[in-house]
Amino acid sequence: LAKTTQPISMDSYEGQEVNITCSHNNIATNDYITWYQQFPSQGPRFIIQGYKTKVTNEVASLFIPADRKSSTLSLPRVSLSDTAVYYCLVGDHGQNFVFGPGTRLSVLP
Amino acid sequence: DAGVIQSPRHEVTEMGQEVTLRCKPISGHDYLFWYRQTMMRGLELLIYFNNNVPIDDSGMPEDRFSAKMPNASFSTLKIQPSEPRDSAVYFCASALALHEQFFGPGTRLTVL
Repeated sequence: LAKTTQPISMDSYEGQEVNITCSHNNIATNDYITWYQQFPSQGPRFIIQGYKTKVTNEVASLFIPADRKSSTLSLPRVSLSDTAVYYCLVGDHGQNFVFGPGTRLSVLP
Repeated sequence: DAGVIQSPRHEVTEMGQEVTLRCKPISGHDYLFWYRQTMMRGLELLIYFNNNVPIDDSGMPEDRFSAKMPNASFSTLKIQPSEPRDSAVYFCASALALHEQFFGPGTRLTVL
């Protein structure tokens, strides 16, 4: 399984764009990159998934460079309700469910 | 759909007692996962099923833990006997063809 490295925590202010980068140097050809969000006292929730280049949905964008050794989750104009832990997972569709410690994002007023 | 349903939401028991956690996955999903989350160890995959068959149980901590999926709409995670170190939040998740996982609300287990 490809090991991932993310910042342990990040702070931001309301209205700002937040970018969380995940490193996965040994990503394999068949691996996808998936991000989940977890609020306190809730289970993780799928945010976005990608394989290469850029993926955008109504919640976030995922940027993946050509070498795929890292990826960046971009949250536009965060609000207080975006305060959560964000997990980056890397694996093929048979293995993309190993969660690391994640990034604890705190959005300040 | 009501999403993944777990019961009970909270369980408090004494060391040595048997604990059974229950999960109803989203209808039509063919994968079911059991996770455990603690502050110290984070979110750990315990076991997952595909079409009711256990595929990987390497995350099950020891023989005290067992999981079953008798049909496509029900799974149980049993701990017997329970120990204080089993205290955690246990999540069940389901997925269709290993795309995004949908998590249940979790069961908070406290073993005294």
